[in-house]
Amino acid sequence: SQLAEENLWALSVHEGESVTVNCSYKTSITALQWYRQKSGEGPAQLILIRSNEREKRNGRLRATLDTSSQSSSLSITATRCEDTAVYFCATDYYGGSGNKLIFGTGTLLSVKP
Amino acid sequence: DMKVTQMPRYLIKRMGENVLLECGQDMSHETMYWYRQDPGLGLQLIYISYDVDSNSEGDIPKGYRVSRKKREHFSLILDSAKTNQTSVYFCASSRDTSGNTLYFGEGSRLIVV
Repeated sequence: SQLAEENLWALSVHEGESVTVNCSYKTSITALQWYRQKSGEGPAQLILIRSNEREKRNGRLRATLDTSSQSSSLSITATRCEDTAVYFCATDYYGGSGNKLIFGTGTLLSVKP
Repeated sequence: DMKVTQMPRYLIKRMGENVLLECGQDMSHETMYWYRQDPGLGLQLIYISYDVDSNSEGDIPKGYRVSRKKREHFSLILDSAKTNQTSVYFCASSRDTSGNTLYFGEGSRLIVV
């Protein structure tokens, strides 16, 4: 089973609308990261939020972290067509010989004109 | 320039042939990763390397091996490729494993026929 998992497989919004992608995880973490992957590219980090932080912003992006419910959200305001991508959350966990970063299966966000 | 470079980008191999996927990074990062990505399964960790000759299995190491003889290079080797190893392979690097950003390459698409 996934240690980190986005709650929806796919979302669709119209340009200019706001959208939120949710993630739940199963282990204690030091940080949770959000990545975006556009078609044909490798994932790129959007936000890293540490376990002692509750909210972090990066331009139109806002991430929240609730360690009590082991959940996180990524909100995008004023969406643009170029925000169309798969969004992953990723958490670190200690497995065997060292720390590893485990990704969820991703949420496909489609932003339509 | 903070870049992860993967070679080759596209590869077609026959079942039973050996496959070498190479990855380089110019950031002097300690930690490097190999992931594979399949539809609906997200990114699955194959191997992680904490430094030269310090490699650890990820979640799906069977059928793969790795080599890291220089900090900036990390290779993924498939001895006798199988059709179920058809996938997109991503290499990534991070400064270390303490909840740091992963920088991904653009991926290597492997088809085994």
